[in-house]
Amino acid sequence: EIVLTQSPGTLSLSPGERASLFCRASESISSSLLAWYQQKPGQAPRLLIYDTSSRASGISDRFRGSGSGTLFTLTISRLEPEDFAVYYCQQYGSSPLYTFGQGTKLEIK
Amino acid sequence: QVQLVQSGAEVKKTGSSVTVSCKASGGTFTTYAFNWVRQAPGQGLEWMGGIIPVFNITNYARKFQGRVTISADKSSSLAYMELSSLRSDDTAVYYCARHPRYCSGGTCHSKQLPDWGQGTLVTVSS
Repeated sequence: EIVLTQSPGTLSLSPGERASLFCRASESISSSLLAWYQQKPGQAPRLLIYDTSSRASGISDRFRGSGSGTLFTLTISRLEPEDFAVYYCQQYGSSPLYTFGQGTKLEIK
Repeated sequence: QVQLVQSGAEVKKTGSSVTVSCKASGGTFTTYAFNWVRQAPGQGLEWMGGIIPVFNITNYARKFQGRVTISADKSSSLAYMELSSLRSDDTAVYYCARHPRYCSGGTCHSKQLPDWGQGTLVTVSS
């Protein structure tokens, strides 16, 4: 079973800065089937990135996904106040069908 | 307009069962796969299982096998998640989420989840 480990657990940054969030898999994720979600308090998760680097519909180009194999990165350039939230990575396509990382909280410094 | 509307909050006793429903609108029900993801208070996301209604194929996370049953009613565009033998640590928000069904060569594949319901809080107490 693939385990996803996200780092850092909490990231404190100021608006306008760039954020780099990491997701490491316990084994190689085939075909780069990795997604990123944003979740704000009291809301359902929102898909940001799929297939490692494709932006979901309506997602700002400030969000960029990259990586391969076992290490993946979500980069958010020029942080806006609405970007401060919890971010989860997720693998799909391997058994079990879905695995989530434990999340990274992006907070305002 | 894509919408997944879930049933309302539930309060259950330890040892009982709960069923949460998810009504889908926007798109043809049988062209989607439906999944259930839960989130305990202050915790992360945990996949429980899913169903491809057109084939009635289900998959469950090992942790929940034997305790969860996911089903669908194609005529009503409803997906269901039943969790039995409830414990206090089953207290969580339960989400349904769907993606367009993608099957090829006799195999259906899990994909990213663009559509989510609003969540249903299930509280379990003795």
